[in-house]
Amino acid sequence: AQTVTQSQPEMSVQEAETVTLSCTYDTSESDYYLFWYKQPPSRQMILVIRQEAYKQQNATENRFSVNFQKAAKSFSLKISDSQLGDAAMYFCAYRIGNTGNQFYFGTGTSLTVIP
Amino acid sequence: KAGVTQTPRYLIKTRGQQVTLSCSPISGHRSVSWYQQTPGQGLQFLFEYFSETQRNKGNFPGRFSGRQFSNSRSEMNVSTLELGDSALYLCASRWGEYGYTFGSGTRLTVV
Repeated sequence: AQTVTQSQPEMSVQEAETVTLSCTYDTSESDYYLFWYKQPPSRQMILVIRQEAYKQQNATENRFSVNFQKAAKSFSLKISDSQLGDAAMYFCAYRIGNTGNQFYFGTGTSLTVIP
Repeated sequence: KAGVTQTPRYLIKTRGQQVTLSCSPISGHRSVSWYQQTPGQGLQFLFEYFSETQRNKGNFPGRFSGRQFSNSRSEMNVSTLELGDSALYLCASRWGEYGYTFGSGTRLTVV
């Protein structure tokens, strides 16, 4: 079974500081993709960053970066220089590579940014 | 370029009724997936359509059904509504390997 676990239901960070959101997953597949999505109050799921499992290099998108530990099945998201607009629900998601069109989502982490 | 459009944004229905939700994907996207989001169960996959064919289905009862039209627009239908069907229903369209884009969802409340 494919499962995604986010152990931090809520996190807070001071504006301009750095925060790390945790995610672990369980899979027996070798080809898969990992994602972090952000869901603000507008409800739309917005892609923050993605990582292909076959790539050893950690993905980076501006202030967002991941720490991908394949052997440990860990995929954490680091947000640097946090901004008020980063406040949202963050979901870690997994998708099987070759045939999978289905995302498996974690339960989410609610991030509060303190001015 | 228009995003994924879901209508209506909000819906209130009575137990036992049926409901149809609509999703218009980004132009050129042929794959449309549906997800149910609830506080208790989180985000759960309902089904995916590609070129008018259902390719994958989640673990939901037969009351949940869908279809896709030749213009890639998709509809989701829930019959004999139950209180537990109250949720945010999200649609996502896809191009290529990674290009999933989600809509803003339809908030369904069953009373």
